[in-house]
Amino acid sequence: EIVLTQSPGTLSLSPGERATLSCRTSQSDTGNSLAWYQQKPGQAPRLLIYGASSRATGIPDRFSGSGSGTDFTLTISRLEPEDFAVYYCHQFGSSLFGGGTKVEIK
Amino acid sequence: EVQLVESGGDLVQPGGSLRLSCAASGFTVSSNSMSWVRQAPGKGLEWVSIIFSGGNTYYADSVKGRFTISRDNSKNTVYLQINSLRAEDTAVYYCVRDPQPLSQGSLYYGMDVWGQGTTVTVSS
Repeated sequence: EIVLTQSPGTLSLSPGERATLSCRTSQSDTGNSLAWYQQKPGQAPRLLIYGASSRATGIPDRFSGSGSGTDFTLTISRLEPEDFAVYYCHQFGSSLFGGGTKVEIK
Repeated sequence: EVQLVESGGDLVQPGGSLRLSCAASGFTVSSNSMSWVRQAPGKGLEWVSIIFSGGNTYYADSVKGRFTISRDNSKNTVYLQINSLRAEDTAVYYCVRDPQPLSQGSLYYGMDVWGQGTTVTVSS
């Protein structure tokens, strides 16, 4: 059974700090199939990163993605107030989403 | 403007049926793969179903045999017929544009357009 595991479940940080979110897949991936989404309360998710490291249209460059194989990372270099949200990774092929990481204000 | 607008969500008794609609504007659904993704209250995202541009359809195991995805090209609209509803189907249902890789192993561009969601509540 393929599983996507995100960690940590919750990340408590202050504006201006760096956020590092992890997504581990049980099925090795070149990275071509890995995407990240941001979801704010009451809103639909928004595509941030595709192909593990490419930013979607309109996404600020403080968001970056990296990784290959089974370990992937979403990094927010300096948290802005609007970045506090839940983040999901998703793997095409398995059609699975990770359980999400909530980035909350410390 | 590229946009998806869902409708059809409602409060339904267990065993009931609903048809969700997703009207697209700014692009043609028949030229794209379209998915439905749902989110139970306070939970994460779950992919439900996809219809490819060629018309092939696929379903998550949890809904196979109960849900049917279809589209009406003349209305530029995608549908999700939901039958034999269960309490665990309670969720916000999102319609999503889901462009597929050109070939196996090639780049997946992600679910790039999302609707605002429509809420299905299954309760007696």
